[in-house]
Amino acid sequence: GQQLNQSPQSMFIQEGEDVSMNCTSSSIFNTWLWYKQDPGEGPVLLIALYKAGELTSNGRLTAQFGITRKDSFLNISASIPSDVGIYFCAGRRGRETSGSRLTFGEGTQLTVNP
Amino acid sequence: EAQVTQNPRYLITVTGKKLTVTCSQNMNHEYMSWYRQDPGLGLRQIYYSMNVEVTDKGDVPEGYKVSRKEKRNFPLILESPSPNQTSLYFCASSLARGEQFFGPGTRLTVL
Repeated sequence: GQQLNQSPQSMFIQEGEDVSMNCTSSSIFNTWLWYKQDPGEGPVLLIALYKAGELTSNGRLTAQFGITRKDSFLNISASIPSDVGIYFCAGRRGRETSGSRLTFGEGTQLTVNP
Repeated sequence: EAQVTQNPRYLITVTGKKLTVTCSQNMNHEYMSWYRQDPGLGLRQIYYSMNVEVTDKGDVPEGYKVSRKEKRNFPLILESPSPNQTSLYFCASSLARGEQFFGPGTRLTVL
């Protein structure tokens, strides 16, 4: 199936630094989602984007839906140790009511050094 | 508390021995899905269900079966497990217009 290209695969940063990660695809998606997975747990939704060009914030997190609808990025500002985890992007081609077909990126492993 | 539960959380089995991983949600969600997570591959959808008695294949359905006899339950069945099905499995559910809630995961090892 269609995979999303997520980068970087891993990041090692100091507490307080800003973080940026992105996802790209050769296909158009109508919804972009960003999830975080803590060790031993399932992914938790951080931000959902439904319109091309949309910029949405959730606390220190900001995500954007690319104008071409083929990419999205996630920024984390002023990182803290609890930001550690795996971040996944996910895309959906259909509209919100089209069911639960999601395609996931490979994930970005974030490590924050105190 | 709204949640998706999976059982068992950990399972070690042998090749060919049929097994079922249960998934249950208490949020009255229409949609339910199963994913497997493997290093470097992210999450890949195995099967999904849009409502009772309505299921469809995801991206990697081979070797798996599902059923949706009740709205709250969506079991994943491995009729004859093989070592390449060793993985971390997640169940997820959502409303028709909502995003997915994930369960805590089931780590399966097939020897």
